[in-house]
Amino acid sequence: DTGVSQDPRHKITKRGQNVTFRCDPISEHNRLYWYRQTLGQGPEFLTYFQNEAQLEKSRLLSDRFSAERPKGSFSTLEIQRTEQGDSAMYLCASSLGTGVLKRGNEQFFGPGTRLTVL
Amino acid sequence: AQSVTQLGSHVSVSEGALVLLRCNYSSSVPPYLFWYVQYPNQGLQLLLKYTSAATLVKGINGFEAEFKKSETSFHLTKPSAHMSDAAEYFCAVSGNNDMRFGAGTRLTVKP
Repeated sequence: DTGVSQDPRHKITKRGQNVTFRCDPISEHNRLYWYRQTLGQGPEFLTYFQNEAQLEKSRLLSDRFSAERPKGSFSTLEIQRTEQGDSAMYLCASSLGTGVLKRGNEQFFGPGTRLTVL
Repeated sequence: AQSVTQLGSHVSVSEGALVLLRCNYSSSVPPYLFWYVQYPNQGLQLLLKYTSAATLVKGINGFEAEFKKSETSFHLTKPSAHMSDAAEYFCAVSGNNDMRFGAGTRLTVKP
């Protein structure tokens, strides 16, 4: 399977602990995105990378959140000092960010990591 | 700025009936519009997209959507619902660097 993969699929943690999620995009995709989805809502943009450069961060991404894509391939999203409000599904997506229709290039989503903070 | 609004958080149809899921957009530039489907505990799968070519777009699983600039709409339809269509559906518009999603419409299909 050559789709977007995420690990772990589920994470339960206690408030105040740190957690890290991993995303492996489709190999030829140079753009990688992180979204957060809470119950009953659509995904909300957190941040995106073009190759290894983090080019945009949403105001939803507080100082406790950090994302990296060190070699322009996989990415990690770390949440420090988790809070109950961080409980959500964290989705990763990738796309090709080249060509005339780069705004029209669809994003391919992974299965998500469901975080529960107790 | 780009945004979408999905009308109706829940839609229920009988198997074999027409499916109509509504989406209106707001965009300061010509929009690129998408419909995604999400099954329980899974990521999003692209159904179809509009990128300024034909206004009637056909997608997977028998779905199609029509872009109507005058109504700023991009409604999703399927002539005959199947039980396997039960899922959450999201309309989205492409921003400069991200995808802006609606709140979603949960489709229930009754036997």
